[in-house]
Amino acid sequence: NAGVTQTPKFRILKIGQSMTLQCAQDMNHNYMYWYRQDPGMGLKLIYYSVGAGITDKGEVPNGYNVSRSTTEDFPLRLELAAPSQTSVYFCASSPLGPGSNEQFFGPGTRLTVL
Amino acid sequence: TQLLEQSPQFLSIQEGENLTVYCNSSSVFSSLQWYRQEPGEGPVLLVTVVTGGEVKKLKRLTFQFGDARKDSSLHITAAQTGDTGLYLCAGERNRDDKIIFGKGTRLHILP
Repeated sequence: NAGVTQTPKFRILKIGQSMTLQCAQDMNHNYMYWYRQDPGMGLKLIYYSVGAGITDKGEVPNGYNVSRSTTEDFPLRLELAAPSQTSVYFCASSPLGPGSNEQFFGPGTRLTVL
Repeated sequence: TQLLEQSPQFLSIQEGENLTVYCNSSSVFSSLQWYRQEPGEGPVLLVTVVTGGEVKKLKRLTFQFGDARKDSSLHITAAQTGDTGLYLCAGERNRDDKIIFGKGTRLHILP
């Protein structure tokens, strides 16, 4: 099992550019999450999904979009990159709902917007 | 307002010493989790506590959930350099609620 994989590891964007952060898991988990982690801060939930075809907003969804067409994949889309979106992005999955089971995290994508 | 307050923010101690870090809230949580995150990697779950007063041990790490389920502590005995990392607490207030993360305690164990 590869667990949760994320690509790319690093990316630099110019203001106004768009990109998709990829996330895949091979554990057949229903729940998947996207977080951002800023220096000195904890993890802020951007979007989450409880299964294929179902997504919902987290704490900081503005400027992002997600889709969940399969159980395995949960891409995060940035349409118009802004400097405020400079952060480290983590994707996670869990077999059950939040708190009732372990969240497995990917290695992260470090994004810089200049 | 930070729902989960972790203290201290930073801690640097010598190998072999004992330490305790804290995770506090004014809200009641149905469960709390502790994660450790190493540089360049994602967090990894250490433990989940669900019952008020619960104590769990993981080798030299002892986790306690407060009786009122508003706080938790992590005690490390005889710290080792391999314990260095960012320790995050996370919790959910209701069973189907989303998990909230604290800002973390950055621990550095000196050889």
